[in-house]
Amino acid sequence: QKEVEQDPGPLSVPEGAIVSLNCTYSNSAFQYFMWYRQYSRKGPELLMYTYSSGNKEDGRFTAQVDKSSKYISLFIRDSQPSDSATYLCAMSPGSGGSNYKLTFGKGTLLTVNP
Amino acid sequence: GAGVSQTPSNKVTEKGKYVELRCDPISGHTALYWYRQSLGQGPEFLIYFQGTGAADDSGLPNDRFFAVRPEGSVSTLKIQRTERGDSAMYLCASSLDRNYEQYFGPGTRLTVT
Repeated sequence: QKEVEQDPGPLSVPEGAIVSLNCTYSNSAFQYFMWYRQYSRKGPELLMYTYSSGNKEDGRFTAQVDKSSKYISLFIRDSQPSDSATYLCAMSPGSGGSNYKLTFGKGTLLTVNP
Repeated sequence: GAGVSQTPSNKVTEKGKYVELRCDPISGHTALYWYRQSLGQGPEFLIYFQGTGAADDSGLPNDRFFAVRPEGSVSTLKIQRTERGDSAMYLCASSLDRNYEQYFGPGTRLTVT
């Protein structure tokens, strides 16, 4: 079993839909949780990061972390065609450990259709 | 401001050849990381530099891979005797000090024929 599991999709939704992207993980040492967006043949772009459990909102994006279930989510409201990309979750251990060593999921390919 | 830059954007080489991939981090970022991303996979950690020294090279797959950062800014990833299995996107990231908040460059797509 990989440390981070992410359904690779593909996921196709109509413009304006609410999108839910998810990852599960097995390593209880993970404390920091990130979401990256990667357009085709480009480098990953950091969208959001959260520490431990809870919610964080930034515009149309909301990140949720449930450490008790080892489950994280990214919600995209009012999705736009420009949101079409691969979304990668990433995680790292807490301070004092290897907090720089990110472990990524495989990524979910999202297409938003106009 | 300028982000992380990587050159070349694409590199095609023959099996057995030597290649160098360059990364120029965000100005002021002391930490620099290399990751490798195979097709359909997430990036995998290779090495972390704090300043000029390699603080963690545990992700380097074997001794054909080596990286340097002689002046604490630009870094070069070096691959000797390339193999077809080395074909991947090589990503560089940087951050303010050792940190999970990392900013990635556009990557170098390496193809070994």
